[in-house]
Amino acid sequence: NAGVTQTPKFQVLKTGQSMTLQCAQDMNHNSMYWYRQDPGMGLRLIYYSASEGTTDKGEVPNGYNVSRLNKREFSLRLESAAPSQTSVYFCASSGQVAGELFFGEGSRLTVL
Amino acid sequence: GENVEQHPSTLSVQEGDSAVIKCTYSDSASNYFPWYKQELGKGPQLIIDIRSNVGEKKDQRIAVTLNKTAKHFSLHITETQPEDSAVYFCAGVKTSYDKVIFGPGTSLSVIP
Repeated sequence: NAGVTQTPKFQVLKTGQSMTLQCAQDMNHNSMYWYRQDPGMGLRLIYYSASEGTTDKGEVPNGYNVSRLNKREFSLRLESAAPSQTSVYFCASSGQVAGELFFGEGSRLTVL
Repeated sequence: GENVEQHPSTLSVQEGDSAVIKCTYSDSASNYFPWYKQELGKGPQLIIDIRSNVGEKKDQRIAVTLNKTAKHFSLHITETQPEDSAVYFCAGVKTSYDKVIFGPGTSLSVIP
């Protein structure tokens, strides 16, 4: 029972490089989310998708783009990585109960 | 938009003592308040939640209380054990918008 799967788990980038974080859920959930976690800042919402085909900005969307490819998959793209984007990124999904989130294991990104 | 504050940021208790974490929220339309526990190296996991039409909810050693008038809610852990050591996050949710905003987190240490 996989739940929410994120790839990659670790990534090191140079400033200006691009990359995509992948997320997939197998729980048939409608809503999916991307958060970043930084020391002392908690979990900050980057983007979310309430249903297939829709996406909305969260608290800190600048520098990121997202794609809700289908009901299962929600990807996060950094077009030109900056050191300020060094963080741990979490993908989550929710089903019938809005706000009851199921999280992946996280992706640790370092931008040099 | 919603803003969730959480106190204290760190908390140390002796094993067997109680721990209390408090949160306040800004948006009076928020109607669902989940609490998440994050163990080291893992994604957050829902441990208990409360809806706006309920004042208190208990599940074994953990309980949550909600004061809608004052816009604050609290997590209470009794008879703490070392395995309760983790980071705890509160969140405020307007279920109609499906957007989950977290507090900054509380790092709880239970000393054996």
